[in-house]
Amino acid sequence: EAQVTQNPRYLITVTGKKLTVTCSQNMNHEYMSWYRQDPGLGLRQIYYSMNVEVTDKGDVPEGYKVSRKEKRNFPLILESPSPNQTSLYFCASSFRGYNEQFFGPGTRLTVL
Amino acid sequence: TQLLEQSPQFLSIQEGENLTVYCNSSSVFSSLQWYRQEPGEGPVLLVTVVTGGEVKKLKRLTFQFGDARKDSSLHITAAQPGDTGLYLCAGSLNFGNEKLTFGTGTRLTIIP
Repeated sequence: EAQVTQNPRYLITVTGKKLTVTCSQNMNHEYMSWYRQDPGLGLRQIYYSMNVEVTDKGDVPEGYKVSRKEKRNFPLILESPSPNQTSLYFCASSFRGYNEQFFGPGTRLTVL
Repeated sequence: TQLLEQSPQFLSIQEGENLTVYCNSSSVFSSLQWYRQEPGEGPVLLVTVVTGGEVKKLKRLTFQFGDARKDSSLHITAAQPGDTGLYLCAGSLNFGNEKLTFGTGTRLTIIP
């Protein structure tokens, strides 16, 4: 089954404790991205990757890191999480950035 | 400042009624997508419109792209409870531009 998987689905952590949210797709898509979703703000892009070893900042990259060492995986790293990073996070993949985005199920992160 | 503004932000109507939601921008988009997101899931693509003035129908849903490619609308006829969800528009600014910008979203509730 073609899908995007994210782990964990739910995470509660404390300020400053490094965490990684994994994202994997099995559709051989070149383009992958991370979004955060907050009430009234829609989906805002954090980082995107057009291919292996190619990443770039989206609209709200501060406080986040990503890497794209393999085509299928695109982890999101929060080196020192803060409460303002409490949000619902989605990973998405597509052939190209302007094509249909296939989203993962989301990761709800709470930073205390 | 959001590139894509959706209105209304919230809409609650009775089953069987018709409704229209709007996606507006001051920028010209090469293409525009509409997604629906249900609770606990990621957004799923409904339709992509590419040509100014284009109208696409998906059963009871009618999508229109403005002539100037700056706005779009989604009209639902005889709404049903299954239409409940968050509707998001997303646009690509230039042909070949990999970045997809999402709107602020319209949360639709259909009351049985």
